Amino acid sequence: GQNIDQPTEMTATEGAIVQINCTYQTSGFNGLFWYQQHAGEAPTFLSYNVLDGLEEKGRFSSFLSRSKGYSYLLLKELQMKDSASYLCAVRDSNYQLIWGAGTKLIIKP
Amino acid sequence: ETGVTQTPRHLVMGMTNKKSLKCEQHLGHNAMYWYKQSAKKPLELMFVYSLEERVENNSVPSRFSPECPNSSHLFLHLHTLQPEDSALYLCASSQASGSGANVLTFGAGSRLTVL
Repeated sequence: GQNIDQPTEMTATEGAIVQINCTYQTSGFNGLFWYQQHAGEAPTFLSYNVLDGLEEKGRFSSFLSRSKGYSYLLLKELQMKDSASYLCAVRDSNYQLIWGAGTKLIIKP
Repeated sequence: ETGVTQTPRHLVMGMTNKKSLKCEQHLGHNAMYWYKQSAKKPLELMFVYSLEERVENNSVPSRFSPECPNSSHLFLHLHTLQPEDSALYLCASSQASGSGANVLTFGAGSRLTVL
């Protein structure tokens, strides 16, 4: 079966760096997405990786290793507003999105 | 309004009620989706409409009935639901093809409670 694994919950300190991992086992691969979802709000698109390597967007970066079935989202200079759930999703060979259960990130002062 | 708008934001219904969830997008997208989001579970894709035709129906019980009258509007009609159907129902839209395909724009969701 197809599976996406990510930690259920993480805690980090304001101003620090945190890395949220995502491992996947899917039928084919056509890209990996990260979304952010604040409590009670819509998930919003953060990043898309289809080739190996690091994509940087301001304080957020996303890394992909297709051979290892692995991605991470790196958040730098954490702010309280970064407290949210982070969802990892992989597009399989049929261009269907397979979702992880999300990682709840708690930022402490 | 811009983006994807869902109404109502909260809904409480009994098991014998009939209600509908509404979704509207003003992004010019031509694909629309219904997802179910339950606590600590992955998003479950329920229905997909592409160019106003239903292209996906993931074995969803018949008590959920989608309707897509045009590319901007999507409904989810609810009838004789069960308590386990209580969840957040998310609507999303995207381009059906091209580089923007599968980059979803979500609504804030409709929180459904079935008593």
